[in-house]
Amino acid sequence: DAKTTQPTSMDCAEGRAANLPCNHSTISGNEYVYWYRQIHSQGPQYIIHGLKNNETNEMASLIITEDRKSSTLILPHATLRDTAVYYCIVSYGNKLVFGAGTILRVKS
Amino acid sequence: DAGVIQSPRHEVTEMGQEVTLRCKPISGHNSLFWYRQTMMRGLELLIYFNNNVPIDDSGMPEDRFSAKMPNASFSTLKIQPSEPRDSAVYFCASRSGTRENWNQPQHFGDGTRLSIL
Repeated sequence: DAKTTQPTSMDCAEGRAANLPCNHSTISGNEYVYWYRQIHSQGPQYIIHGLKNNETNEMASLIITEDRKSSTLILPHATLRDTAVYYCIVSYGNKLVFGAGTILRVKS
Repeated sequence: DAGVIQSPRHEVTEMGQEVTLRCKPISGHNSLFWYRQTMMRGLELLIYFNNNVPIDDSGMPEDRFSAKMPNASFSTLKIQPSEPRDSAVYFCASRSGTRENWNQPQHFGDGTRLSIL
């Protein structure tokens, strides 16, 4: 599975959009991009995933560049409850390999 | 809808004892995964099952670890004998997946926090 690179940490003001970048320059054609987050002491929570088209659901939007070498997770109106570690994972099939992720701190 | 259910939520035991962690996947899901999370190593996949059959156990650290899935609604992860270095949070996840729909996401339980004294 391809490796991803994410910033170690980011801050975001409450009510503003949080844009979390992820680089995956070695992604292969059949690998999907998945985003999960983990709030302290809880299990990882699925957010969104996509192959090459942009995706949106009730939690977030996923923007994937045309060459698929990077993506951005957008939380449109961040709240304090969105403070968590966010993981970007590229995967084909069953294996999810979790990196260190990005610590997002939402501040009032 | 009920999510992935793990039990117990917390387990404290002395080294050398047998530990059994339990997982009930989401109904209808045909793949089940066991992960371990520690500060040093992060979140690691231990083993996964498709249709109750173990597919990849390359992440299982030692022979002291074993996992079973006797039916589609139940799985166990057993450590015997347990050691202090096995202390971690153990997560179970499940997903639905077919040849035509293999990209479905995994959904995680809230984990079992295991402490071996």
